[in-house]
Amino acid sequence: SAVISQKPSRDICQRGTSLTIQCQVDSQVTMMFWYRQQPGQSLTLIATANQGSEATYESGFVIDKFPISRPNLTFSTLTVSNMSPEDSSIYLCSVEGWSSGSSYNEQFFGPGTRLTVL
Amino acid sequence: QKEVEQDPGPLSVPEGAIVSLNCTYSNSAFQYFMWYRQYSRKGPELLMYTYSSGNKEDGRFTAQVDKSSKYISLFIRDSQPSDSATYLCAMSRRSGNTPLVFGKGTRLSVIA
Repeated sequence: SAVISQKPSRDICQRGTSLTIQCQVDSQVTMMFWYRQQPGQSLTLIATANQGSEATYESGFVIDKFPISRPNLTFSTLTVSNMSPEDSSIYLCSVEGWSSGSSYNEQFFGPGTRLTVL
Repeated sequence: QKEVEQDPGPLSVPEGAIVSLNCTYSNSAFQYFMWYRQYSRKGPELLMYTYSSGNKEDGRFTAQVDKSSKYISLFIRDSQPSDSATYLCAMSRRSGNTPLVFGKGTRLSVIA
């Protein structure tokens, strides 16, 4: 299993500013995923971050708006740039790992960062 | 049409009731089917997963997958107030190095 922490846990930001969210994992992982969970909506994948390469963004998400860093195998950051109220959401990072006694490569999630943009 | 459809509820049941949660999907390439539970202000945690079609039981929880109908279900027997949470179905084509496609989640309240 993997234990994931995120900072900050929540923040209230002004329109036009940027916020960087940190994700720390207690073990080395190859891939990290960043999801967005908007009110009443499903978790939506923003991008996949591999250490040592550029992040891969899903349709509808661009690097200028959501730049990602992956400096090592246990850490990643997601920046929400030039924020607007539509960016108000919960942002979650996720990693894969093998559960004890399982043949399935499970995805573990951090507690999330609750962002409100005024 | 979204890849995964899930009724968001909310669903409210009395303690001890049997709960049925469902998702439909459109992509026949999905092979792994998961149910995540998410408590308020927490990240989702894996409850059960099923590979391909069939049933899987774990205590009070039973997951069913019908690939011919593109329909999955989660049953909770003898529901408890501690089961109150949002339940999200998720699917993927393979195990490992692949993101998940989620339903919207169903908010469940079990009333004592």
